[in-house]
Amino acid sequence: SYELTQPPSVSVSPGQTARITCSGDALPKQYAYWYQQKPGQAPVLVIYKDSERPSGIPERFSGSSSGTTVTLTISGVQAEDEADYYCQSADSSGTVVFGGGTKLTVL
Amino acid sequence: QVQLVESGGGLVKPGGSLRLSCAASGFTFSDYYMSWIRQAPGKGLEWVSYISSSSSYTNYADSVKGRFTISRDNAKNSLYLQMNSLRAEDTAVYYCARAPVVVVAAEYYFDYWGQGTLVTVSS
Repeated sequence: SYELTQPPSVSVSPGQTARITCSGDALPKQYAYWYQQKPGQAPVLVIYKDSERPSGIPERFSGSSSGTTVTLTISGVQAEDEADYYCQSADSSGTVVFGGGTKLTVL
Repeated sequence: QVQLVESGGGLVKPGGSLRLSCAASGFTFSDYYMSWIRQAPGKGLEWVSYISSSSSYTNYADSVKGRFTISRDNAKNSLYLQMNSLRAEDTAVYYCARAPVVVVAAEYYFDYWGQGTLVTVSS
């Protein structure tokens, strides 16, 4: 079955840039999406179609794609960005898959 | 504003059944695919199922295929998940989510989520 691979954790100091990667064989052909989840809360969509930002999401959140890897970049990280981040995509049959999640720690 | 409110969770014995509901408001429910996604305690997100706007198409994760059934009532703006033959590994928070799916463009994602309902399968 199709899998998406994320690093379990990323740490960054306030004001620095955080990059969270997600790898999957189908990513060159399928869009990737990113969700932020804070403790006890539902996930929130922060990036869709690889690099589009929904309304209300701060400009410091951006997405990019290169080959089998997509990247969520958070520029000028703030304490409030500390959360779990999940990438998501789908295979050619429309079966949805999530990455294992990355815990972002703001030092 | 878009609101999704899940209900129906609770404690059930292995082998038992449960029906989850999701009440939607703030958008034209019948225009959207809808989906269920779950999260086991301390674990990541796992997609469970989605249903097309007219109920003509459904898709399920292999882990629930044959045991769970997704359905919807557009007149009542409601989404459902019938869960049968429940197992301990089905213990999770179950989220209802709106899915602005565009099949021809291979766009499958979730733009609004409810707060979830906890299902615990234990004897």
